[in-house]
Amino acid sequence: DVKVTQSSRYLVKRTGEKVFLECVQDMDHENMFWYRQDPGLGLRLIYFSYDVKMKEKGDIPEGYSVSREKKERFSLILESASTNQTSMYLCASSLYYRGNTEAFFGQGTRLTVV
Amino acid sequence: DAKTTQPPSMDCAEGRAANLPCNHSTISGNEYVYWYRQIHSQGPQYIIHGLKNNETNEMASLIITEDRKSSTLILPHATLRDTAVYYCIVRGNYGGSQGNLIFGKGTKLSVKP
Repeated sequence: DVKVTQSSRYLVKRTGEKVFLECVQDMDHENMFWYRQDPGLGLRLIYFSYDVKMKEKGDIPEGYSVSREKKERFSLILESASTNQTSMYLCASSLYYRGNTEAFFGQGTRLTVV
Repeated sequence: DAKTTQPPSMDCAEGRAANLPCNHSTISGNEYVYWYRQIHSQGPQYIIHGLKNNETNEMASLIITEDRKSSTLILPHATLRDTAVYYCIVRGNYGGSQGNLIFGKGTKLSVKP
């Protein structure tokens, strides 16, 4: 079975902490994504990676960075966590080619910054 | 911004067909229509996608109008487990970043006993 695994289901961090959210996929997918989901705003793309060490900014990259050192792992980093980064974070992966393919999502990490 | 318009909510009786509409009047010739759903507290799940022909799989059917400006997702026999938010997404036929999924607010489908 296809799998995208996020390291934590729930996380509580303090303001100013550096936070790492980890995502691992076992499908050998080239594309990996980080979204955040907030009530009334839907899913918004933070960052995207289409290959190892490659990344592109999504719609709301401010306050975040990412790391893709290995194909299967895509990390989202909150450099200095703030309360407005309290949210549900979703990782996804998909194949890379000039066609159409489904994206597979992890279960999400609900982050609370206090 | 999302390129689709969906009603914010719909109800359906258990065992009946659920028909979820989506407008995508600005769709271009090489863009596909995708449907995902998100059950409470889970990540989104792929349902189906299509270009211009109607499509059917084990989960649902997708009906796309001839002018491709709208589509309907059909769940033929809705169950309580189909209660979820359903997202209609228009996505280009590209690899890399141009193939990103842009989610709108979706339709919250409530299946009632």
